[in-house]
Amino acid sequence: EPEVTQTPSHQVTQMGQEVILRCVPISNHLYFYWYRQILGQKVEFLVSFYNNEISEKSEIFDDQFSVERPDGSNFTLKIRSTKLEDSAMYFCASSERLSTDTQYFGPGTRLTVL
Amino acid sequence: GEDVEQSLFLSVREGDSSVINCTYTDSSSTYLYWYKQEPGAGLQLLTYIFSNMDMKQDQRLTVLLNKKDKHLSLRIADTQTGDSAIYFCAESYGSGNTGKLIFGQGTTLQVKP
Repeated sequence: EPEVTQTPSHQVTQMGQEVILRCVPISNHLYFYWYRQILGQKVEFLVSFYNNEISEKSEIFDDQFSVERPDGSNFTLKIRSTKLEDSAMYFCASSERLSTDTQYFGPGTRLTVL
Repeated sequence: GEDVEQSLFLSVREGDSSVINCTYTDSSSTYLYWYKQEPGAGLQLLTYIFSNMDMKQDQRLTVLLNKKDKHLSLRIADTQTGDSAIYFCAESYGSGNTGKLIFGQGTTLQVKP
């Protein structure tokens, strides 16, 4: 069964460093998303992406964040200058056609900022 | 603003039924979802219901939707120890169709042997 994959599974970085989290969505999917879950808190929407542009972003998704689909398979989330409060589990998701189609989630990348 | 609320914890005995409840605020939600998260793992889609439906059954899972009260429930029949996990309710938010999901805080289901 096709699945969303994410790398790395765990990323440790120093405050102020840039990180890139990578995702490979399901191959025929057209809509892509990033969410994050701070330990013990709700899963929060960050950004949705379609047709090579951002469809919607939350207030969390400030200028420190960016997303890119550099080729036909990868979807990346970049955090330019990480802060302690960026420590969280980051989930990538994708859906097939309409934005209201079911979203399938990857296993997540745990980001730890020291 | 949008909000989804769930109770935090439910404990049941193996073989009993579990009912996890959720309330939401956005009346324009198109789909409502249940996701399962096992320790250290990602979000696994369990089931979903379209907003014009009242009930959906899928093997041991039954989803009930009361659109008037904006209440969603997930019933797990014959609960097994392998069902122990965190269960998240989520709604697709907004009429702009950007696909944004709003999650509840998750209900931890503990199944005792």
